[in-house]
Amino acid sequence: AQSVTQLGSHVSVSEGALVLLRCNYSSSVPPYLFWYVQYPNQGLQLLLKYTSAATLVKGINGFEAEFKKSETSFHLTKPSAHMSDAAEYFCAVNPYNNNDMRFGAGTRLTVKP
Amino acid sequence: DGGITQSPKYLFRKEGQNVTLSCEQNLNHDAMYWYRQDPGQGLRLIYYSQIVNDFQKGDIAEGYSVSREKKESFPLTVTSAQKNPTAFYLCASSSRDSYGYTFGSGTRLTIV
Repeated sequence: AQSVTQLGSHVSVSEGALVLLRCNYSSSVPPYLFWYVQYPNQGLQLLLKYTSAATLVKGINGFEAEFKKSETSFHLTKPSAHMSDAAEYFCAVNPYNNNDMRFGAGTRLTVKP
Repeated sequence: DGGITQSPKYLFRKEGQNVTLSCEQNLNHDAMYWYRQDPGQGLRLIYYSQIVNDFQKGDIAEGYSVSREKKESFPLTVTSAQKNPTAFYLCASSSRDSYGYTFGSGTRLTIV
């Protein structure tokens, strides 16, 4: 069965610093992978998705993620953190693009001024 | 604009009362989902529906019920049998043509 593991429930960075949020997946077939962002008391918004095309995926708000099959990873990065990036981030896997989306436990990103 | 509407945003109910959360989508998506979110526990699937008049239990269906009489609507009822219903509830939808789920803005239910 597919699953995702997000390393680090809390990540804190300074404004302007690199953001790196880690996600490792387990899947028996080539996966579809996603990153979502959630602001307080709001729903999840899709940041980016990997659907077996280019391994480096660019998303909204300057975020990108790289699919590395050999490492079973899909880490999320942003070169320079902004205060507005403070939120919770969820990695998800859905190998068959069906009703079985599996979410990680989430990583809360704090951005310090 | 297409999207998912959840209402109300905040809901307060007394213990022992049933309560229904609304979820409506105008994306023409076939599948709809209900998730429960608790601090530090990520998202847990309550129920999902792939077509009208059909739905399946998720990982934590006990104490909840749903209906899918229309493609656009997937209401969730939290019954008095749910032991700890205070949580943030998220509705989502998807289609085979689009990858990923689209989420509503959520309903925060508090039992007082």
